[in-house]
Amino acid sequence: GEKVEQHESTLSVREGDSAVINCTYTDTASSYFPWYKQEAGKSLHFVIDIRSNVDRKQSQRLIVLLDKKAKRFSLHITATQPEDSAIYFCAATKNSNNRIFFGDGTQLVVKP
Amino acid sequence: EAAVTQSPRNKVAVTGGKVTLSCNQTNNHNNMYWYRQDTGHGLRLIHYSYGAGSTEKGDIPDGYKASRPSQENFSLILELATPSQTSVYFCASGDQANTEVFFGKGTRLTVV
Repeated sequence: GEKVEQHESTLSVREGDSAVINCTYTDTASSYFPWYKQEAGKSLHFVIDIRSNVDRKQSQRLIVLLDKKAKRFSLHITATQPEDSAIYFCAATKNSNNRIFFGDGTQLVVKP
Repeated sequence: EAAVTQSPRNKVAVTGGKVTLSCNQTNNHNNMYWYRQDTGHGLRLIHYSYGAGSTEKGDIPDGYKASRPSQENFSLILELATPSQTSVYFCASGDQANTEVFFGKGTRLTVV
């Protein structure tokens, strides 16, 4: 089955710098890659996604890159702010009625 | 508005007792999931369901049962609770392609 690995367990950056979180996956059939954010003591919520038919997607300060050859995708947060501090989970899934596979999460700390 | 409601939000149970965690979604989603989250382990999938009447084993099903009596409801049952099942449990619902996944606020379970 699919295995999603999230390479940074913790990441610390200075406010205003960029943060990059990297994930790899194993199943070439995976076609949808969402990212979720979990603030301290709270639940997870969706932040951005990318589908396998594109290699880049941007939503405001969030950029997701997908390299299908390397089976790698990454979340770039530009101009980080203290409210970006959270655990970020990457995930992968195939089309329809398949479970979603999560990485183990990256704790991002944005220092003022 | 998308909603996944978990109950109870906090529970203290005694070892050997039976515990039922309930989850209700109003998103008309086919897929529902139960995860546990422990420090250092990210999200671990316990059971999931593709629709009413179906349940599937996830990665760590031992000691847990699941029940999906309707589209809206998905329960996690601990027949004989153990201290090792102390954790935070999250329920989630997803559409058929898992491109729309919502999480509940979590249940903190302590088994003493």
